[in-house]
Amino acid sequence: DVKVTQSSRYLVKRTGEKVFLECVQDMDHENMFWYRQDPGLGLRLIYFSYDVKMKEKGDIPEGYSVSREKKERFSLILESASTNQTSMYLCASSFVSRGLAGQTQYFGPGTRLLVL
Amino acid sequence: GQNIDQPTEMTATEGAIVQINCTYQTSGFNGLFWYQQHAGEAPTFLSYNVLDGLEEKGRFSSFLSRSKGYSYLLLKELQMKDSASYLCAVRGPMDSNYQLIWGAGTKLIIKP
Repeated sequence: DVKVTQSSRYLVKRTGEKVFLECVQDMDHENMFWYRQDPGLGLRLIYFSYDVKMKEKGDIPEGYSVSREKKERFSLILESASTNQTSMYLCASSFVSRGLAGQTQYFGPGTRLLVL
Repeated sequence: GQNIDQPTEMTATEGAIVQINCTYQTSGFNGLFWYQQHAGEAPTFLSYNVLDGLEEKGRFSSFLSRSKGYSYLLLKELQMKDSASYLCAVRGPMDSNYQLIWGAGTKLIIKP
């Protein structure tokens, strides 16, 4: 079974703090993704990575950065947390190399972040 | 623009059948996914359609019509554990790195 884990289920931070969210997958997937999920909106892609040290901006990268130093680990960084970054953050991973049909994304349990 | 539409909420009765619709308008199409998400949990993969027609997987089936930009998820013999949100996502073109475009999800409430 694919396993994607995230470092925290719940997190409370103060405005201006630097926040690190970590994601680890054990399936040797090349692609990794960070999304945020807010009520009434579809999942929105923040950043993704298709290889170690590679990153691509998604639809809403402002206020976020990412790091991928190892294939299995993808970190999301909020440089200076703001209240509008209160959200559910979901990490996902998928293969690149198995054709489009094989690129199903598998999700971690999510981190619910509250910024006060 | 890119747009995925699903009903916000649906209610159905245990043991019945329910159909959740998804319509899409995207600049490219490389497949459509359905995911299930229980409250407070991760989305889990249900189905993938890239060709027109019906794909059946146990109590769940998914249908695609590319010419109409339309898909549905059919759930039969509903069980209480099927109460969840159902997310529709379309995979975009190569020049978008095949990114998924997500609908807001349909919350399905099952009543006894």
